[in-house]
Amino acid sequence: AQTVTQSQPEMSVQEAETVTLSCTYDTSESDYYLFWYKQPPSRQMILVIRQEAYKQQNATENRFSVNFQKAAKSFSLKISDSQLGDAAMYFCAYTDNNDMRFGAGTRLTVKP
Amino acid sequence: DAGVIQSPRHEVTEMGQEVTLRCKPISGHDYLFWYRQTMMRGLELLIYFNNNVPIDDSGMPEDRFSAKMPNASFSTLKIQPSEPRDSAVYFCASSLPGGGTEQYFGPGTRLTVT
Repeated sequence: AQTVTQSQPEMSVQEAETVTLSCTYDTSESDYYLFWYKQPPSRQMILVIRQEAYKQQNATENRFSVNFQKAAKSFSLKISDSQLGDAAMYFCAYTDNNDMRFGAGTRLTVKP
Repeated sequence: DAGVIQSPRHEVTEMGQEVTLRCKPISGHDYLFWYRQTMMRGLELLIYFNNNVPIDDSGMPEDRFSAKMPNASFSTLKIQPSEPRDSAVYFCASSLPGGGTEQYFGPGTRLTVT
């Protein structure tokens, strides 16, 4: 079964600085999709960014970008110019069909 | 678009009682998912439907849990009888077909069983 591992239970960053959240996954599939979801204190799950495994180019969405290393099965999220509103739980997720698997999450604190 | 709608937002019940959680997916979405989130186990997929048909219920903890989707716009997750260890946040999500499509989550139902 596919597994998703987030090895950092908690991270903190100074406002305006850059932080990288780590994620690794295990799969034997060659075609799959990876996601980062954000869950603020409101508990609403919000999609941050999406990466298709067949694309070599790393996805970017404004201040959010990923470092996708397919051979290493690594999918890290970089948040640039961190803002107070970025404070949340961040979940890495994997799917190769419609069954999505989530990591345990990383709690990000942003210090003013 | 109203997004995925879940009710109730909060539910407090006593052990042994029946609990029914409700979900209305986004119109046009063919897939519906039920998740459970706890501190100990994180976010777990319980069951998902495609075109109202259950596809994979291997995540359902035990026979006390059941889920139905009588039509494209409504699903229920029922726990009978409820136990304190069922206390969690239950999310419903929906998506369009395709492996790489985003799942849109509802606001969740926080269930407390005393």
